[in-house]
Amino acid sequence: TQLLEQSPQFLSIQEGENLTVYCNSSSVFSSLQWYRQEPGEGPVLLVTVVTGGEVKKLKRLTFQFGDARKDSSLHITAAQPGDTGLYLCAGTSASGTYKYIFGTGTRLKV
Amino acid sequence: GAGVSQSPSNKVTEKGKDVELRCDPISGHTALYWYRQRLGQGLEFLIYFQGNSAPDKSGLPSDRFSAERTGESVSTLTIQRTQQEDSAVYLCASSLYGGTIYFGEGSWLTVV
Repeated sequence: TQLLEQSPQFLSIQEGENLTVYCNSSSVFSSLQWYRQEPGEGPVLLVTVVTGGEVKKLKRLTFQFGDARKDSSLHITAAQPGDTGLYLCAGTSASGTYKYIFGTGTRLKV
Repeated sequence: GAGVSQSPSNKVTEKGKDVELRCDPISGHTALYWYRQRLGQGLEFLIYFQGNSAPDKSGLPSDRFSAERTGESVSTLTIQRTQQEDSAVYLCASSLYGGTIYFGEGSWLTVV
């Protein structure tokens, strides 16, 4: 069974601080996505990474896919209250089933 | 349609009753997914459709849960004899085969 574990589960920080959220697995993924979900809404896609070692930046957010495509990180610089929400990573299997496996989530409060 | 549409958006039902949740995917999307999210928790995979067939039903929690998809479009998730532990948000998502998945806003189910 493929599992994606996220850490930390909860994070409460002050405005202006930096933070990193991790998404780890023992399985290889063909691609990995990061989503943010706000209360009462469905998850909204932030980014997709597909190449091992890939780094993508979205304003103050930096996403990295591990070289072995088993892990990923999300780094937020100078966090703002608008960053508050549930951050979810999701991976698609390298075996080609296209079943999305979601991580356990990181709940961020700024 | 412009996005994934789910109905009802909210449903309160009595324990033991059956419920049907509907998902209208983005037009042309071949893949459709159902997930369950309990309050404050992450997403739990239920079932995945490719076209009208379901190659992976491994996430359905019990035989009270079933889902179907017709016309490579609308899908219905049915929960029979609902229990209180079924209370959750049921999220539907769709994608082109192998592409990015897009979520609906969910159907909030409360079993009393």
